[in-house]
Amino acid sequence: GESVGLHLPTLSVQEGDNSIINCAYSNSASDYFIWYKQESGKGPQFIIDIRSNMDKRQGQRVTVLLNKTVKHLSLQIAATQPGDSAVYFCAERSGGYQKVTFGTGTKLQVIP
Amino acid sequence: EAGVAQSPRYKIIEKRQSVAFWCNPISGHATLYWYQQILGQGPKLLIQFQNNGVVDDSQLPKDRFSAERLKGVDSTLKIQPAKLEDSAVYLCASSPQGNEQFFGPGTRLTVL
Repeated sequence: GESVGLHLPTLSVQEGDNSIINCAYSNSASDYFIWYKQESGKGPQFIIDIRSNMDKRQGQRVTVLLNKTVKHLSLQIAATQPGDSAVYFCAERSGGYQKVTFGTGTKLQVIP
Repeated sequence: EAGVAQSPRYKIIEKRQSVAFWCNPISGHATLYWYQQILGQGPKLLIQFQNNGVVDDSQLPKDRFSAERLKGVDSTLKIQPAKLEDSAVYLCASSPQGNEQFFGPGTRLTVL
């Protein structure tokens, strides 16, 4: 199917290496941040989240780091696998009705 | 647990025609979202419902787009008349309490 990754920044990594995907967010009032994975032809899928009162959170093979000083978010994927190939979006939530705003995305290509 | 259902999956129309998309959220999820995702970009929120009330439609082009969520369950998004720039994937998502959002597969709209 048509790729959602067209024109997006691309990160190519060797299978088994660690991946780091970076994101700059815009709203200093955002209280919650989420990383999503989107495969071609599918909707975004939740990976991991972090609240603004934390600076690090770990999941299975994934770690999210939050630096509020510079409004920067990163997603680290350990031992990257071919199934990790997708477009990754960071998103921030703010406001009374918890509006979620997505970033522009990064395409991750895993080289077997 | 069944996921978010959307139909149709694909739609091709001529400009100035009308089109409607349908979404069935996960049972019990109070919050429902419609997003527009243009190729190569992150999803952009069009409208957010809390039960059957609208809580955010600030980015919905109200001259041509409309959405409703009767009885606080299913939702429809309509475009009338469509323009070329409306070509995109329309994603529906639902959330139990405004945290993690669960996305449907999307409807890919092509306007010729």
